[in-house]
Amino acid sequence: NAGVTQTPKFQVLKTGQSMTLQCAQDMNHNSMYWYRQDPGMGLRLIYYSASEGTTDKGEVPNGYNVSRLNKREFSLRLESAAPSQTSVYFCASSPPTYTGELFFGEGSRLTVL
Amino acid sequence: KNEVEQSPQNLTAQEGEFITINCSYSVGISALHWLQQHPGGGIVSLFMLSSGKKKHGRLIATINIQEKHSSLHITASHPRDSAVYICAPTRGGSQGNLIFGKGTKLSVKP
Repeated sequence: NAGVTQTPKFQVLKTGQSMTLQCAQDMNHNSMYWYRQDPGMGLRLIYYSASEGTTDKGEVPNGYNVSRLNKREFSLRLESAAPSQTSVYFCASSPPTYTGELFFGEGSRLTVL
Repeated sequence: KNEVEQSPQNLTAQEGEFITINCSYSVGISALHWLQQHPGGGIVSLFMLSSGKKKHGRLIATINIQEKHSSLHITASHPRDSAVYICAPTRGGSQGNLIFGKGTKLSVKP
């Protein structure tokens, strides 16, 4: 199994450009998450989706939109990228039973110039 | 004051030493996660605790919900344990809705 797959792994954008980070999981998990990780700040939750068709804001949702396309896929969109969105982005998923285990993708490093 | 405080921030140990990483938090939670982030950046979920103690191999995690404190112990540490260890209490609503500590960077020397 591939687990949680994120694309792209690296991206450089100019201020104002848009892009979508893709995330897919093949473990039949209900819940999926997008986090960002910044030096000195730790990880922070951007958005999450508890099940197909639902999304909820996390701690830092401003400047982002998400789509839970189906049970497998959860995408994160930056409509107008800003330098403050330079970060490493992680997607994760968790199984329906409350086992507490989270499965993370490898991360996507985004630089906004 | 940060909602989640980990100590120490950095830790260097000799192979074989017993390691303890502490986590104190100020938010009310029902569970807490310990995560490991490898030098290459990948993140692995180690434990989720809501009470008592859990053990997996050489790793032991404990939690005291009333005192809002958790510890991660590594017995017989090994250089492959070198990583950043992150404590993350749950906000609730979804098990991935977490408040993350800034991590403890552990380096184990051979």
